Amino acid sequence: AQKVTQAQTEISVVEKEDVTLDCVYETRDTTYYLFWYKQPPSGELVFLIRRNSFDEQNEISGRYSWNFQKSTSSFNFTITASQVVDSAVYFCALSFPDYNNNDMRFGAGTRLTVKP
Amino acid sequence: DVKVTQSSRYLVKRTGEKVFLECVQDMDHENMFWYRQDPGLGLRLIYFSYDVKMKEKGDIPEGYSVSREKKERFSLILESASTNQTSMYLCASSPWTSGGVGDTQYFGPGTRLTVL
Repeated sequence: AQKVTQAQTEISVVEKEDVTLDCVYETRDTTYYLFWYKQPPSGELVFLIRRNSFDEQNEISGRYSWNFQKSTSSFNFTITASQVVDSAVYFCALSFPDYNNNDMRFGAGTRLTVKP
Repeated sequence: DVKVTQSSRYLVKRTGEKVFLECVQDMDHENMFWYRQDPGLGLRLIYFSYDVKMKEKGDIPEGYSVSREKKERFSLILESASTNQTSMYLCASSPWTSGGVGDTQYFGPGTRLTVL
């Protein structure tokens, strides 16, 4: 089965703390893509990152970093020195080959609240 | 920048009404999607379309239909709205790339529909 699990429903931190959002996925396919999206209070999902299954290099973009580990089927997202503007719901998603070639599975989301 | 717009941010309808949700994208994307988002369930795919007049059912198509007469526009129709269709509806689009897997989806701001 193709599935994404975000076990953390809600996380609350104080500004400047580091925070890691967990994402565990299940798939039988060897070719797949993983995504993270941010949904601020305005509602629109904002694309953050896409990684393919053959590239396990960690990625850093400013205060954001992603740790992809195939051995544990995880694609975790860390925000360093969190800010109030990071408050949002974050979704992890998995895209895999299907006859319709655009199937994507989303996790349930993690609501991050950063307090000043 | 990719722009996906949805006709309404908030909508209130009565049980039994026919409801149209409109989505327009300006990036000439082949694929368009309709999701509904409910707390604790993440995003669930209702329908998607990979070309004009083409459509495929997603995970939860019951009670919904779609229409794609032009490439840039994808409509979601609730033939007879019911209270259990109260939800946030998100439209997305993506380009079709060779191989198809892993196309990034770009989302609109969402329509929060309340059915009384």
